[in-house]
Amino acid sequence: AAGVIQSPRHLIKEKRETATLKCYPIPRHDTVYWYQQGPGQDPQFLISFYEKMQSDKGSIPDRFSAQQFSDYHSELNMSSLELGDSALYFCASSFLTSGGNTQYFGPGTRLTVL
Amino acid sequence: GQSLEQPSEVTAVEGAIVQINCTYQTSGFYGLSWYQQHDGGAPTFLSYNGLDGLEETGRFSSFLSRSDSYGYLLLQELQMKDSASYFCAVAVDSNYQLIWGAGTKLIIKP
Repeated sequence: AAGVIQSPRHLIKEKRETATLKCYPIPRHDTVYWYQQGPGQDPQFLISFYEKMQSDKGSIPDRFSAQQFSDYHSELNMSSLELGDSALYFCASSFLTSGGNTQYFGPGTRLTVL
Repeated sequence: GQSLEQPSEVTAVEGAIVQINCTYQTSGFYGLSWYQQHDGGAPTFLSYNGLDGLEETGRFSSFLSRSDSYGYLLLQELQMKDSASYFCAVAVDSNYQLIWGAGTKLIIKP
């Protein structure tokens, strides 16, 4: 079965640079969630989209923005990167319209800011 | 504020049974989920309780009591591959936005 795809899997950036993370949800899933997970921490919810519209906003810094495109893929744009942004970034998708209470996670993008 | 509490670490023996508890205080409640995460891996869905009672899926079971704001994950016939972190997470709205606990690291000894 198709899973959530994230790219790139690893990314190394310098401070103050920008980064774009991509997420391709499971086909027919209508909702995408973005999470940030630091070492030894729980996933922190950043933002979600339902049917290409922002549905919920969590602890996403103002330096970050995200959107969901017409083909349902989503991108997380991160600017003015800081050392503290180094983390695993997960995208998850679900089929909310069918009462989907299960989020399927992608393999994550490991961002390292030097 | 919103908070979920679960033990930080649990140790058990291979073949045994272990229970991981989770209590929560959240502004909204649509259900309690459990996820498993191996080191360096992605969280994997284990179970969901929207109503009170027990849900069973193979060796894993999950229980919810909404009146007590409490749930637990029960793992039976523990295997070494079950060594991982287990997170409880509450869906706080109809978009199933999840608020996560800090995770319980399960250590299994032979």
